Amino acid sequence: EVQLVESGGGLLQPAMSLTLSCLASGFSLEDFTMHWVRQRPGKGLEWVSSINWNSDTITYADSVKGRFAVSRDNARQSLYLHMTGLRPEDTAFYYCTRRQNDWDPYFHYWGRGTLVTVSP
Amino acid sequence: IVLTQSPDTLSLSPGQRATFSCRASQTINNKFLGWYQKKPGQAPRLLIYDISTRAAGVPDRFSAFGSGADFALSISSVEPEDVAVYYCQSYGGSPPYSFGQGTRLEIK
Repeated sequence: EVQLVESGGGLLQPAMSLTLSCLASGFSLEDFTMHWVRQRPGKGLEWVSSINWNSDTITYADSVKGRFAVSRDNARQSLYLHMTGLRPEDTAFYYCTRRQNDWDPYFHYWGRGTLVTVSP
Repeated sequence: IVLTQSPDTLSLSPGQRATFSCRASQTINNKFLGWYQKKPGQAPRLLIYDISTRAAGVPDRFSAFGSGADFALSISSVEPEDVAVYYCQSYGGSPPYSFGQGTRLEIK
């Protein structure tokens, strides 16, 4: 069974940094591109970042470009999101997600999310 | 692609039909339009992909259709367990993944 478990969320002040982790099980992480999606309070879902299997191809939403960095450690079955220069508008549940395969652009698998709160 | 969903909230009685609309800012030329269900405290769940295909385990009271820039998700007979926010999602362009703002389903 595919499982994705996020951790690392918390309460921070603006401009601080935080790294989120996602531990994957039930499949080999190196076989899949992985993604982060967030949901801000009272707002919709927003794609944040994607990283392919060997970290050669990384993309970010404009809202986080230059501030967030995604990485992975396939041997540890782990995905990371290093967030710097945090802003109140980054307050959100952050979800680690996975597609079914490379030609199916939908998020079939999701973690339960980890909450990041940025407040003065 | 910007996806605009309507209405913001749908309030229905059990057994009624629910219809959620998703309008894209441009024609979706590929088939990549999906729908998710998000219940409070739970991760989003993929319901529909490729415009009209139900994901595994999704009850057949959920259906979807559309073409061009106009798409819809329908629940033939809503049940209390269907209370959630429903999102459409497209793929392509920049950003590669776009979501609508969501429609909240309430049961009277």
